[in-house]
Amino acid sequence: GQQVMQIPQYQHVQEGEDFTTYCNSSTTLSNIQWYKQRPGGHPVFLIQLVKSGEVKKQKRLTFQFGEAKKNSSLHITATQTTDVGTYFCAIGNEKLTFGTGTRLTIIP
Amino acid sequence: KAGVTQTPRYLIKTRGQQVTLSCSPISGHRSVSWYQQTPGQGLQFLFEYFSETQRNKGNFPGRFSGRQFSNSRSEMNVSTLELGDSALYLCASSLSVPVEGYTFGSGTRLTVV
Repeated sequence: GQQVMQIPQYQHVQEGEDFTTYCNSSTTLSNIQWYKQRPGGHPVFLIQLVKSGEVKKQKRLTFQFGEAKKNSSLHITATQTTDVGTYFCAIGNEKLTFGTGTRLTIIP
Repeated sequence: KAGVTQTPRYLIKTRGQQVTLSCSPISGHRSVSWYQQTPGQGLQFLFEYFSETQRNKGNFPGRFSGRQFSNSRSEMNVSTLELGDSALYLCASSLSVPVEGYTFGSGTRLTVV
C-alpha cells in the first residue's frame, strides 16, 4: 500500500519561532490530511488538501500540497505554547495511512 | 454535537485473556475505523466498517476482530492477548466520504501484563 515519509521526527523551537513539518510520498496522492495530537490526547483533524498546488491557511498555520501531489507541508508562524503536540499527515480515504509524526516542543 | 465515545478509557488485562472495546460514533456518521497507536509503530489502521460491513482491514493477525451494529456503534475484540498488544486503541468516525476528516475518540489505553 501507499506509504508516506514525514520529517523531522522532532522539532524543538523557541516560542515565537516558526515550525515546518514535511510529508513525502513516492506515488501521486489523491488527497492528504493533517492531524494534531496533544500530549496525552487523541488526533484532531486540521485540514484536508485535494488540489495540486493547493495552499490553505488557518490563522498561523499554512498547509501546502505539492504541484505533483506527492508532498505536503505544514508551517506554523510564530509558535505559541498551545502549538505543542505531534503533527501527523495521513493519506487515503476509508483507510488512513499516517506518517510517523513530528513532535513539536516549545521552549518558553 | 457529542463526540466519539470510547469505553472503557483504561484497561489492564493478563496475557491470554480477551478484551472487547466499544465505540459510539458521532450521530449520523456511518463509517467507523479503528487504529492502534504505540510508541514504536505509530498509528496503524486496524479495520473500517460502514453500514455493518467491514470495508477495509489492516495487517493485523486474526486475533483482532470487530463488528458494527445497525446503530453504527462498533466493537473491537482482541483474543489471546499478548504483551505487544499494549497500546492506545483509537476509534474514529466520519461521513461516508470523509471530506471533513475523521473525528477520533479519546481512546482506550490497554495494558497487557
